[in-house]
Amino acid sequence: DQQVKQNSPSLSVQEGRISILNCDYTNSMFDYFLWYKKYPAEGPTFLISISSIKDKNEDGRFTVFLNKSAKHLSLHIVPSQPGDSAVYFCAASARTGNQFYFGTGTSLTVIP
Amino acid sequence: DGGITQSPKYLFRKEGQNVTLSCEQNLNHDAMYWYRQDPGQGLRLIYYSQIVNDFQKGDIAEGYSVSREKKESFPLTVTSAQKNPTAFYLCASNDRITDTQYFGPGTRLTVL
Repeated sequence: DQQVKQNSPSLSVQEGRISILNCDYTNSMFDYFLWYKKYPAEGPTFLISISSIKDKNEDGRFTVFLNKSAKHLSLHIVPSQPGDSAVYFCAASARTGNQFYFGTGTSLTVIP
Repeated sequence: DGGITQSPKYLFRKEGQNVTLSCEQNLNHDAMYWYRQDPGQGLRLIYYSQIVNDFQKGDIAEGYSVSREKKESFPLTVTSAQKNPTAFYLCASNDRITDTQYFGPGTRLTVL
């Protein structure tokens, strides 16, 4: 059963606007969350992470929000740029465990 | 220049042949992972290793085998028992300090 879900397979946004990518999880033991960006035929690259002790983490144009009660996190990209077009994966782990669990990804297209 | 290398980038094999995918890291990370990505799906964990000479099955270990004789190396063998071996394979290692996974560039395996 998928413990991390990204329900939107794709998203299109105009350049300069905000992109919001969503992720839901089911396991209440998860306490660390990450976002990765992936281009075709390449490995994912780490973007930003958040610990469950926080509800927001910001790094430049990227902000991740965590709502623990809803078991939901989101990645905001502002302003969106054409180079942001890629597949974005969210991932979760329980720091006491050994595994990372990935969502199925959301393909973001930023239209110039 | 630290990182994770996977070779080759593209690999073709005939059905029924075993094939070994290489993964090397010089990041001094203890933990290493193998994932498989199929179109429209997230990253699914095949095997992981927390330390040399130890490894654990992931969610889809059937038809695969691994070894961890050195900290830097975690090769994956796709055996003839794997029903659908054609996929994009990703190797990762984990930085315990930041609890972040870093990925190699991937190997595209095609079984003819």
